[in-house]
Amino acid sequence: EIVMTQSPATLSVSPGERVIFSCRASHGVNNNLAWYQQKFGQAPRLLLSGVSTRATGVPARFSGSGSGTEFTLTISSLQSEDFAVYYCQQYNNWPRTFGQGTKLEIK
Amino acid sequence: EVHLAASGGDLAQPGGSLRLSCAASGFTFSSYAMSWVRQAPGRGLQWVSSISGSGGSRYNADSVTGRFTISRDNSKNTLYLQMNSLRAEDTALYYCAKYGDPYGYYHFDYWGQGTLVTVSS
Repeated sequence: EIVMTQSPATLSVSPGERVIFSCRASHGVNNNLAWYQQKFGQAPRLLLSGVSTRATGVPARFSGSGSGTEFTLTISSLQSEDFAVYYCQQYNNWPRTFGQGTKLEIK
Repeated sequence: EVHLAASGGDLAQPGGSLRLSCAASGFTFSSYAMSWVRQAPGRGLQWVSSISGSGGSRYNADSVTGRFTISRDNSKNTLYLQMNSLRAEDTALYYCAKYGDPYGYYHFDYWGQGTLVTVSS
């Protein structure tokens, strides 16, 4: 099983600032990496697939990069609606696995 | 517009059974693999099971193999999860999710609202 490790567990950031989330895979996943956003009480929402392809309706301030085992999600300028939990997920191997999530809090 | 409506969650006793359903609309259901993903209270996301568009291929997490069975009825645009031999650790919100590409098992592009399963005596 590929273990996905996200760091840090919590980020405290002010609106308008730039934030970077980290996701590491225990084995290479090629470009088969997605990011999801989950707000409190809601289902997850797809942000990025294939490392860097934004889903329909996702603002350009969200971007992704990385390859192999190291990946990042960047929000260029935080908006109030971005405070949520963010998960990475690999779909290169079975079982599909998610990181444990990074909670983005208002500073 | 894609819509996934999960139902069937309930309180069940350890060792008991439940069947979850997910009614899908807004896309060609039979062309897309589907999945169940769960989230224990206050915890992260855990993939449970996936099924191909035709229903001919299925994949399960080790933790549910032999206990849970995923299936689908393409004539009814509905996904199912038969859950047997339930354990306390199966307590979670269960989401149905649609895979993002026809005939593939890639990212999940749409998620239902979830249905809550609680296993307790």
